[in-house]
Amino acid sequence: AQTVTQSQPEMSVQEAETVTLSCTYDTSESDYYLFWYKQPPSRQMILVIRQEAYKQQNATENRFSVNFQKAAKSFSLKISDSQLGDAAMYFCAYNSGTYKYIFGTGTRLKVLA
Amino acid sequence: NAGVTQTPKFQVLKTGQSMTLQCAQDMNHEYMSWYRQDPGMGLRLIHYSVGAGITDQGEVPNGYNVSRSTTEDFPLRLLSAAPSQTSVYFCASSPLAGGPVTQYFGPGTRLLVL
Repeated sequence: AQTVTQSQPEMSVQEAETVTLSCTYDTSESDYYLFWYKQPPSRQMILVIRQEAYKQQNATENRFSVNFQKAAKSFSLKISDSQLGDAAMYFCAYNSGTYKYIFGTGTRLKVLA
Repeated sequence: NAGVTQTPKFQVLKTGQSMTLQCAQDMNHEYMSWYRQDPGMGLRLIHYSVGAGITDQGEVPNGYNVSRSTTEDFPLRLLSAAPSQTSVYFCASSPLAGGPVTQYFGPGTRLLVL
């Protein structure tokens, strides 16, 4: 069975600095999709970034980028120039192209002014 | 365009009571799903649907029923609530075409079972 592991329950970063959130997954599939979702205190789930496994190029969205290491089954999220509004829970998620998404347990990010 | 809406926002139930959590979307998405979010456990899939009349179980389906009579609505029923069902429930939808794309989440329903 596929699993998604986020080993950092909580992280802190100074405003304007860079932070990296870790995510590892286990799968026997060769084609799949990986996601990072942000959940601010409002509880609304917001997609941050998406990566297709067949693409070697790492996805980027403005200040957010990923380091996708397919062989190592690692999918980390880098947030550059951290802002106070980045404070939230971040969830890593996996989908093998079926209808079932698997989420990690989340990392709470604190941004210090 | 309201996106994904959920009602109620908060509900308190007594053990053994039944209730239905409502979910609706106005984006004509084929795929809809229900998750529960518990502290330290992330989001876990309860049930999902790929179209009207088609539903299937997710990771934690016990104690919950669903049906999909229209594209827009996907209610989640608790037939006999238990304290273990205290959680925050999220509904999500997405189109099916083009592979797994972003899911659009509702604002969540917080359920407390006493």
